[in-house]
Amino acid sequence: TQLLEQSPQFLSIQEGENLTVYCNSSSVFSSLQWYRQEPGEGPVLLVTVVTGGEVKKLKRLTFQFGDARKDSSLHITAAQPGDTGLYLCAAKETSGSRLTFGEGTQLTVNP
Amino acid sequence: KAGVTQTPRYLIKTRGQQVTLSCSPISGHRSVSWYQQTPGQGLQFLFEYFSETQRNKGNFPGRFSGRQFSNSRSEMNVSTLELGDSALYLCASSTEGAALGYTFGSGTRLTVV
Repeated sequence: TQLLEQSPQFLSIQEGENLTVYCNSSSVFSSLQWYRQEPGEGPVLLVTVVTGGEVKKLKRLTFQFGDARKDSSLHITAAQPGDTGLYLCAAKETSGSRLTFGEGTQLTVNP
Repeated sequence: KAGVTQTPRYLIKTRGQQVTLSCSPISGHRSVSWYQQTPGQGLQFLFEYFSETQRNKGNFPGRFSGRQFSNSRSEMNVSTLELGDSALYLCASSTEGAALGYTFGSGTRLTVV
């Protein structure tokens, strides 16, 4: 089973700051997904990236898939309190149908 | 359209009991996966069902089992509950599998006392 390492585990910033969350592994993935989870709820899919080097933007969020499809990053510009939550990366192995999740990054944006 | 529905939302059980959790996927989704989420271990894969067949299974003891019905609804069962089974159990559905992402339910919070 492949491992996904997310960093940092915890991040507390002020409104308006920028931040980047990283997701790394030694394995190659067929696709990588980012989710956001709020307390008491299930994770909500933000984006799926499938092509090495792919960059996707979702308003103030920018997602990048590494060229070798082993890592990914999530960059948030001008963070807002509504961005607070647990951010999870999840990868699908090149064979098989399961998703492996990273441990998550707990982001707190203070007003 | 309706999302993924999990019932019950909260459950308190005693050690040694057994429990059944239910998941209704989004209409048209044939793949249903179950995950256990705990503060220490994060999201751990339990199993995936597709068209009533278990397609993949995680590293959990045989006390954890599941099934999927012809209408794609799924249940998971945990027998002989242990304190360590206390967790948020999440169900996720998709059309074909994990490749393009899942829609998760809100989960069932199981507390074993």
